[in-house]
Amino acid sequence: QVQVQESGPGLVKPSETLSLSCTVSGGPISGRGYHWGWIRQPPGKGLEYIGNTHYSGSSYYNPSLKSRVTISVDTSENQYSLKLRSVTAADTAVYYCVVAVAATGTLDYWGQGTLVTVSS
Amino acid sequence: YELTQPPSVSVSPGQTASISCSGDKLGGKYACWYYQRPGQSPVLVIYQDFKRPSGIPERFSGSNSGNTATLTISGTQALDEADYYCQAWDSTTAGVVFGGGTKLTVL
Repeated sequence: QVQVQESGPGLVKPSETLSLSCTVSGGPISGRGYHWGWIRQPPGKGLEYIGNTHYSGSSYYNPSLKSRVTISVDTSENQYSLKLRSVTAADTAVYYCVVAVAATGTLDYWGQGTLVTVSS
Repeated sequence: YELTQPPSVSVSPGQTASISCSGDKLGGKYACWYYQRPGQSPVLVIYQDFKRPSGIPERFSGSNSGNTATLTISGTQALDEADYYCQAWDSTTAGVVFGGGTKLTVL
């Protein structure tokens, strides 16, 4: 069974870049049927899909965040990462790494989530 | 693409709760549902419109037709109180869209 776990700083200053990593265990990140993604949830609010990437290099980004987001895969470390540039307080949220299964269109595996606060 | 859910639904214990999710031609896509308890990660309860992952009780069911997908919980229990999110998948772009979430209250 695939498991994913987020890591990264819990505090980021405004205008800087938020960087998180997600470590994958239980299977190779080069698995063809998986898309490696990120979701965020601001405190007290709903889920927002940030985007995903496939090991082949194809990516999908939420149009509202596309200009600031990069999701990339590191097959040597079996990890993938999120970079969100020029952050503001509105980017404060719990960030989840997730695994999207293309065959069913579902997010079958979730990390426990990590709170990232944007503040000076 | 947008999915619309009611912000809240209330149900008495033992009764049936229905949560709707509306989107343009949603019936032509696969819809799935997650529940999320406070402080926890979401859990998949329905996928491909009506299928249940292993471990999800039979009281959870789903349907999807036209512009609306519906999650139905029969014999609702207190432990079903949670936020519920619908989700659609675009197989062309691998894009994911969530509904705004529905808070289910069992009282």
